[in-house]
Amino acid sequence: GESVGLHLPTLSVQEGDNSIINCAYSNSASDYFIWYKQESGKGPQFIIDIRSNMDKRQGQRVTVLLNKTVKHLSLQIAATQPGDSAVYFCAENLSGNTPLVFGKGTRLSVIA
Amino acid sequence: SQTIHQWPATLVQPVGSPLSLECTVEGTSNPNLYWYRQAAGRGLQLLFYSVGIGQISSEVPQNLSASRPQDRQFILSSKKLLLSDSGFYLCACNRGLDTQYFGPGTRLTVL
Repeated sequence: GESVGLHLPTLSVQEGDNSIINCAYSNSASDYFIWYKQESGKGPQFIIDIRSNMDKRQGQRVTVLLNKTVKHLSLQIAATQPGDSAVYFCAENLSGNTPLVFGKGTRLSVIA
Repeated sequence: SQTIHQWPATLVQPVGSPLSLECTVEGTSNPNLYWYRQAAGRGLQLLFYSVGIGQISSEVPQNLSASRPQDRQFILSSKKLLLSDSGFYLCACNRGLDTQYFGPGTRLTVL
């Protein structure tokens, strides 16, 4: 995708604060959305997903919000911890046999 | 749930040498399989994907190729590596609209 060559934007938050990572997706027909966390030297790890018939889904310390009107997805992390430091990617899926489309990623840096 | 294996974990190869990276999946059948490359500090670039044995779709023209000889095996190859082939190679799988999972990755350095 066009975002592959860009340096990742960085979000710095104080330990204990809440983090909000935003993502604009491209296709209004996308049906399924995923957030991934990637720590240095590791493969992306699934965090949470949401389908287009929902606008909010909560997990352990994480919440994903979907605004289909403006094609916006966000990941909220409550009480951010040093272990949350990583790169976070959003992804959208249009249909079952087409590849996910990944966002450019955001590096989250937690300040102790 | 599925488990994705990739090997080797790290690889250092001279320019012009061949490449073979292997990915195998356990715990699922008829998966969609994917190869991504990631440069340091960058996003994910989709290289190839496969929806079935012998079916390969290429996303980016390059000197790499992919093959799927078995349902749960995906191989990334090159006949002659370039310096620009260095990067972190990730294999991933999913089924339909299910979650896509990634393997641990292979870090390739071409010297």
